[in-house]
Amino acid sequence: EVQLVESGGGLVKPGASLKLSCVASGFTFSDYWMSWVRQTPGKTMEWIGDIKYDGSYTNYAPSLKNRFTISRDNAKSTLYLQMSNVRSEDTATYYCTNNNLYVMDAWGQGASVTVSS
Amino acid sequence: DIQMTQTPSSMPASLGERVTISCRASQGISNYLNWYQQKPDGTIKPLIYYTSNLQSGVPSRFSGSGSGTDYSLTISSLEPEDFAMYYCQQYDSSPWTFGGGTKLELK
Repeated sequence: EVQLVESGGGLVKPGASLKLSCVASGFTFSDYWMSWVRQTPGKTMEWIGDIKYDGSYTNYAPSLKNRFTISRDNAKSTLYLQMSNVRSEDTATYYCTNNNLYVMDAWGQGASVTVSS
Repeated sequence: DIQMTQTPSSMPASLGERVTISCRASQGISNYLNWYQQKPDGTIKPLIYYTSNLQSGVPSRFSGSGSGTDYSLTISSLEPEDFAMYYCQQYDSSPWTFGGGTKLELK
């Protein structure tokens, strides 16, 4: 069974940094592109970016490119999202997904991030 | 960025009813359109890819259609488990973008 389990969320102050993790199981992690998507409290979905199966290429939403970094460790079957200089509008639930021919196939249960002073 | 406008934002409906959700792109997206379902517990899964292709395991009461800028998801006869949020998503041009969502509610 494919499983994606996000962690690392919580309450953070504006301007701080935070790193989310997503541990994958049930499939060959190193064969798949992976993505991060977030959902705001108002239920708006926003694609953050994705990373090639070998980690050699990343693609980001332009509005987030300067503050968010996606990386992966295939030996640990783990995807990461490094968030810097967070703002109140970054408050959301963050999902990792594996990508199968441009379909975000499996989704995790999400990690909640709240940015507040 | 391509803007995806999804209508309606909420839809009360009855069991057994046929419903259609619409999604309009701000420019043509060449059928590169997926649909996702989010259950009340937060679980998200893909339903349809490339406009009209059913993901494995998705019931045949779900169907998708469209071309150019206009796309739709139809559920032919609502079952209790279908009351959820639905999102369209384009992958014609990066950044991939989602519609605002449609909440299907029990009337």
